[in-house]
Amino acid sequence: GAVVSQHPSWVICKSGTSVKIECRSLDFQATTMFWYRQFPKQSLMLMATSNEGSKATYEQGVEKDKFLINHASLTLSTLTVTSAHPEDSSFYICSARDRGSGGAKNIQYFGAGTRLSVL
Amino acid sequence: SQKIEQNSEALNIQEGKTATLTCNYTNYSPAYLQWYRQDPGRGPVFLLLIRENEKEKRKERLKVTFDTTLKQSLFHITASQPADSATYLCALDAGGGNKLTFGTGTQLKVEL
Repeated sequence: GAVVSQHPSWVICKSGTSVKIECRSLDFQATTMFWYRQFPKQSLMLMATSNEGSKATYEQGVEKDKFLINHASLTLSTLTVTSAHPEDSSFYICSARDRGSGGAKNIQYFGAGTRLSVL
Repeated sequence: SQKIEQNSEALNIQEGKTATLTCNYTNYSPAYLQWYRQDPGRGPVFLLLIRENEKEKRKERLKVTFDTTLKQSLFHITASQPADSATYLCALDAGGGNKLTFGTGTQLKVEL
């Protein structure tokens, strides 16, 4: 149980284009999903918290117009990197909390990540 | 400022030995602490959660301790195997009940 699917796993795009990354909880409902960014040999940096049916909460320094988040249902959140530039190249990872798991609700289940390369 | 520190240097140990990884934090008062495993190019996988009122937690070959006075958690893997080779991340709740803040991770390599 508690599987999170993230798609695509790898994407290359030209500078100036937009890229959408999907994050789905497959066997549980997730009222809250999180989007992280990770650079090589560094830790996960939280970008934003995505709440079903409401606007995302962005961390300080993260441009909300650049990184659009939509949490349209209890099982799907999307991150769109708009007008991507080479400096946006990174490893993006989503995670989800199981709304119904009681004492284990603080555990985050992660997707496999998306490697974005902007040329 | 708030910090979560893990050994930045890789830890190399021999198969069968016990690996011990350290997580130290400052200026946090976490209600719980978690350990995750991350393989190259993959998302982290949850291993163990320990609450502030718990001293120790075990799961199979894994053991976690949590000392809120020392502000430290130790993560042990007994009878280590080459398949245990990965990066191990500790994470604290950052207040507000939802968010986690991750350490930089320690890379473990178990050699034959």
